[in-house]
Amino acid sequence: GQQLNQSPQSMFIQEGEDVSMNCTSSSIFNTWLWYKQDPGEGPVLLIALYKAGELTSNGRLTAQFGITRKDSFLNISASIPSDVGIYFCASFSNDYKLSFGAGTTVTVRA
Amino acid sequence: AAGVIQSPRHLIKEKRETATLKCYPIPRHDTVYWYQQGPGQDPQFLISFYEKMQSDKGSIPDRFSAQQFSDYHSELNMSSLELGDSALYFCASSSGQGAYEQYFGPGTRLTVT
Repeated sequence: GQQLNQSPQSMFIQEGEDVSMNCTSSSIFNTWLWYKQDPGEGPVLLIALYKAGELTSNGRLTAQFGITRKDSFLNISASIPSDVGIYFCASFSNDYKLSFGAGTTVTVRA
Repeated sequence: AAGVIQSPRHLIKEKRETATLKCYPIPRHDTVYWYQQGPGQDPQFLISFYEKMQSDKGSIPDRFSAQQFSDYHSELNMSSLELGDSALYFCASSSGQGAYEQYFGPGTRLTVT
């Protein structure tokens, strides 16, 4: 499938901080999905993006579909302890199969 | 709101045994997807069904088979289990073929010893 390059691989957050992560690819996509996964649980859909340039919010989460259609970012504002987990970007390859980025692990800084 | 239900949540099998995983999609969702997630990996697409017909196939081993039943629930059958099959198996569902928003279940953790 198409490769989604997600960064950073991991990050430490302090409560109240704004954090950002992104996904890039050499391929053009029509959809970007962002999921959050807690250990041992299934991924939870956070935001779905369908149009280049689209900016969508879900509470403290904001995601944008890049205008080149090759990238997307996810911002978390005023982070709280329950924001820890693994965040995945995902999109569909030419054969309509959902592929995921490698994930960004968010941990609370002690 | 009702979510995707998977059973069992945990399963321990020995090598060469068989396992059956079950998935009950969100009500009125007609498309089911199966994924495998190894430790520290992202989920990998295995197979999907729309209206009880196989719609797409990913990296699913020949030892695995799946089907979707008339009530839209799906079962993933895994035979001749190998140690490398130990993973989390997720089912996701969506409404309509080609629908982009897939909703995942809590997963089945399969351990092969």
